[in-house]
Amino acid sequence: EAGVAQSPRYKIIEKRQSVAFWCNPISGHATLYWYQQILGQGPKLLIQFQNNGVVDDSQLPKDRFSAERLKGVDSTLKIQPAKLEDSAVYLCASSYGTYYEQYFGPGTRLTVT
Amino acid sequence: ELKVEQNPLFLSMQEGKNYTIYCNYSTTSDRLYWYRQDPGKSLESLFVLLSNGAVKQEGRLMASLDTKARLSTLHITAAVHDLSATYFCASGGADGLTFGKGTHLIIQP
Repeated sequence: EAGVAQSPRYKIIEKRQSVAFWCNPISGHATLYWYQQILGQGPKLLIQFQNNGVVDDSQLPKDRFSAERLKGVDSTLKIQPAKLEDSAVYLCASSYGTYYEQYFGPGTRLTVT
Repeated sequence: ELKVEQNPLFLSMQEGKNYTIYCNYSTTSDRLYWYRQDPGKSLESLFVLLSNGAVKQEGRLMASLDTKARLSTLHITAAVHDLSATYFCASGGADGLTFGKGTHLIIQP
């Protein structure tokens, strides 16, 4: 069974630029999550989708971050404009449903200079 | 707001020794997870604990859950170098997971 796929794996941008990350969940998984992991910390949930609807985005900085999940499969997370403090690893996870185990992708390491 | 606290945050130990990592969470939660993360890698699921008194073991690692005390432990028996990694506990239910800050474990020969 293929795991959660993410791209790109690494991205370096300057502050005030925009960036987008892509996630393809495990086939059949209805729930998709985006987490932000700052160096030395645990992952923090940014947004949770159930199929193509948002379940929780309370910790998403909506003035600069946006996310969508078209057709309930792939998802993109966008940052515009980026700030230095956005430097982190962005992890995508998926699960069969909201109470099921989450499987994490390899992450995208973002460096904002 | 659910809070998850781990201790210690850093642990250096010798091979062959036993040790325990503690995870406290602040509010009633549906389940407790333990993950392992190697440097530059993603999270690998170790254990999912669903009920009070749950105990799970895999090799040299054993996890337990006490929902009344809101405490989970990850016990390492006769540590080996390959177990060096960062270990996270996470709690949550339908709304995604809240993670602790992680325990950075170094096992020296």
